[in-house]
Amino acid sequence: DGGITQSPKYLFRKEGQNVTLSCEQNLNHDAMYWYRQDPGQGLRLIYYSQIVNDFQKGDIAEGYSVSREKKESFPLTVTSAQKNPTAFYLCASRPPWGEAFFGQGTRLTVV
Amino acid sequence: DQQVKQNSPSLSVQEGRISILNCDYTNSMFDYFLWYKKYPAEGPTFLISISSIKDKNEDGRFTVFLNKSAKHLSLHIVPSQPGDSAVYFCAASAITGNQFYFGTGTSLTVIP
Repeated sequence: DGGITQSPKYLFRKEGQNVTLSCEQNLNHDAMYWYRQDPGQGLRLIYYSQIVNDFQKGDIAEGYSVSREKKESFPLTVTSAQKNPTAFYLCASRPPWGEAFFGQGTRLTVV
Repeated sequence: DQQVKQNSPSLSVQEGRISILNCDYTNSMFDYFLWYKKYPAEGPTFLISISSIKDKNEDGRFTVFLNKSAKHLSLHIVPSQPGDSAVYFCAASAITGNQFYFGTGTSLTVIP
């Protein structure tokens, strides 16, 4: 079954902690993306990667970091510098032309 | 600055009637447009797309219309069904671009 797997589905973070959200795809897509969804704000781009070992900042990259060591994996780290991390995080991948495919999301809550 | 706008946060329609969801964009470089459907706590699923060389694309009950001069697209769902109740996002990208730009979504409720 081809698709994108995000884990965990729910994640709780204490203030001041870094946490890493996992995203794995077996669709053989080069491009991968991280979005954040907040109520009433749609999907905002955090980071994207077009190829292994390369990634670009999106509109709201501050307080986040990513790596792309393998084609299949694009983990997102939410650092303590992110002042308002509670949100729904979505990972996506895309072939060279066509639609993006999304994972099921990770709900991150700061406690 | 929001490059893709969905000005109606919500829409209610009777079952069997037509649902029309609207989307406006500002960047004239956009030439590929998509609609996604999203349920709470799930990832968006792709619904239908259209490229700028066309002004209409149909897939079953779903039709997307593109008016390039007005920088406007719309999604028509007919007939609407209760299972269509979800949040619908439009998205746009440029053929030379690397990312999609999403609207803020319209929550559709189809009343049985």
